[in-house]
Amino acid sequence: AQSVTQLGSHVSVSEGALVLLRCNYSSSVPPYLFWYVQYPNQGLQLLLKYTSAATLVKGINGFEAEFKKSETSFHLTKPSAHMSDAAEYFCAVPVPRAGSYQLTFGKGTKLSVIP
Amino acid sequence: KAGVTQTPRYLIKTRGQQVTLSCSPISGHRSVSWYQQTPGQGLQFLFEYFSETQRNKGNFPGRFSGRQFSNSRSEMNVSTLELGDSALYLCASSLGVAGGGTDTQYFGPGTRLTVL
Repeated sequence: AQSVTQLGSHVSVSEGALVLLRCNYSSSVPPYLFWYVQYPNQGLQLLLKYTSAATLVKGINGFEAEFKKSETSFHLTKPSAHMSDAAEYFCAVPVPRAGSYQLTFGKGTKLSVIP
Repeated sequence: KAGVTQTPRYLIKTRGQQVTLSCSPISGHRSVSWYQQTPGQGLQFLFEYFSETQRNKGNFPGRFSGRQFSNSRSEMNVSTLELGDSALYLCASSLGVAGGGTDTQYFGPGTRLTVL
């Protein structure tokens, strides 16, 4: 069954440094992929969504992700980290089930930004 | 447009009790999905409701149930609470046209349930 794997449960970067959060999908090319962010004591907020219209997807807060079929990856990047980026990030893929779809999440990557 | 709201935000119950959580979706959204988030298991799909019908269900015991009303508001109920039910319960709404997880889902702030 389709799933996503996030490499690295914790990532630390210095303020101003490149942010790279990794996500790999498991099998066939998914029609959609999502990145969500969760700030402490809050729900999930959509960062960006891949819909196969473009391989490079730009999201909110300066984040973007590139879909690479050859690497089965959809890594999230931001050129320059800001203290406010400290949060947990989730990659997600819809999995077909019982005539509908079920959103399946990776385990999450907690991003720390060091001043 | 108002976002997804969940009530209550925090809840403390004891083992064996039952609990009902409420979710009000974004206006115009007809699909509501529920998720359980724990440190050990991460985010797990509970069920999805669309037009008052359960359209999809995750791998949770029958103690977990839900319903959706004609105004798209949804409730989930957990009966005979166990310690392991302590979690953040998240509700997400979407238009529901494409079907479940392919639509963009918008999440509420969650209900933090603690079972003692």
